[in-house]
Amino acid sequence: NAGVTQTPKFQVLKTGQSMTLQCAQDMNHNSMYWYRQDPGMGLRLIYYSASEGTTDKGEVPNGYNVSRLNKREFSLRLESAAPSQTSVYFCASSDRVAQHFGDGTRLSIL
Amino acid sequence: TQLLEQSPQFLSIQEGENLTVYCNSSSVFSSLQWYRQEPGEGPVLLVTVVTGGEVKKLKRLTFQFGDARKDSSLHITAAQPGDTGLYLCAGAENDYKLSFGAGTTVTVRA
Repeated sequence: NAGVTQTPKFQVLKTGQSMTLQCAQDMNHNSMYWYRQDPGMGLRLIYYSASEGTTDKGEVPNGYNVSRLNKREFSLRLESAAPSQTSVYFCASSDRVAQHFGDGTRLSIL
Repeated sequence: TQLLEQSPQFLSIQEGENLTVYCNSSSVFSSLQWYRQEPGEGPVLLVTVVTGGEVKKLKRLTFQFGDARKDSSLHITAAQPGDTGLYLCAGAENDYKLSFGAGTTVTVRA
């Protein structure tokens, strides 16, 4: 019962470095999402993909890009990491009833 | 600015006591969801409420959706240490997107 799998679980980057966070789901869901979670701010939507082949900006898209590689995989890329992007990143997929989350990637930018 | 305001932000109670968490908004949502998140994990869906005035019970947890579909509450009866976690409400803006509140951290002391 893998559900939503995120890699890596932890990462430390230097300012200006680039990185791609990977996400894969095995539930045949059409929709996938990337959120960031910061203390006292809940989950904020970065980008989402309502279906394979489409992506849309969420609440906080600046500094990020996404790729919906196929129905299973949705990646998030930081082209030039900044300290303000230090956060916990969650990927989710949806069957339009509930969102199913991975266990997160803890990212620190020094 | 978050669409959903949760209160209180933190709640610490003794085992056996009751607690209520509130989720309020000026926006109308087609449905509202409650998630619970434990440290190091992603949020897990507890319930979805759809109809104004709806009340759902899940063992010791009671969820209510306001008549105007703008607010909701979560009540836990006879709380147990296993109820400890971060409780998040999320309003559905459409079939794809959720707006999350900042969360309420609940600690139940044995």
